[in-house]
Amino acid sequence: KNEVEQSPQNLTAQEGEFITINCSYSVGISALHWLQQHPGGGIVSLFMLSSGKKKHGRLIATINIQEKHSSLHITASHPRDSAVYICAVKGGGADGLTFGKGTHLIIQP
Amino acid sequence: DAGITQSPRHKVTETGTPVTLRCHQTENHRYMYWYRQDPGHGLRLIHYSYGVKDTDKGEVSDGYSVSRSKTEDFLLTLESATSSQTSVYFCAIRPGTTYEQYFGPGTRLTVT
Repeated sequence: KNEVEQSPQNLTAQEGEFITINCSYSVGISALHWLQQHPGGGIVSLFMLSSGKKKHGRLIATINIQEKHSSLHITASHPRDSAVYICAVKGGGADGLTFGKGTHLIIQP
Repeated sequence: DAGITQSPRHKVTETGTPVTLRCHQTENHRYMYWYRQDPGHGLRLIHYSYGVKDTDKGEVSDGYSVSRSKTEDFLLTLESATSSQTSVYFCAIRPGTTYEQYFGPGTRLTVT
């Protein structure tokens, strides 16, 4: 069973700061998901990556397969970025994702 | 947004009653999943389906059953609800060509 650890669990920052959220896992994977969940519950897929780096707007996700580690970065953070960020990994086959417990991010104006 | 809906969105039921939650998709995706989300545990896989009538158990399947008689619908049944099944339930779908999953809006279930 894959163990997925996220850090930090909670993060409060000021608007404009550069944010980094980390995710590590214990067993080799096929792909890694970064998800966002705002208060009120909807879960949105931000990135799915299996190698290298992806960028979308102010969000950047990287993964190091050899070190079993991924990071999610937010540049020029804004209060609307306040949410829970969840890392999830996918092994081979048809079964589902294994999730970290999430990082609760608050960006203060 | 992926065409995925869940019903009901909120339900309160009593211990011992049967409950069925429905996940409906309009994307014709092959794979469908049921997860539950609880404080301190995060999201956990209950059951999944890899085709019509093809289902398998996930990490926390005890007390739950599923059925998929059509591509578009994946039903989760609690045969006899218990208070430990109070949770938020999310359905997700994924096409066969990618590992990326798309989540439904969730169902908040309270068992009293």
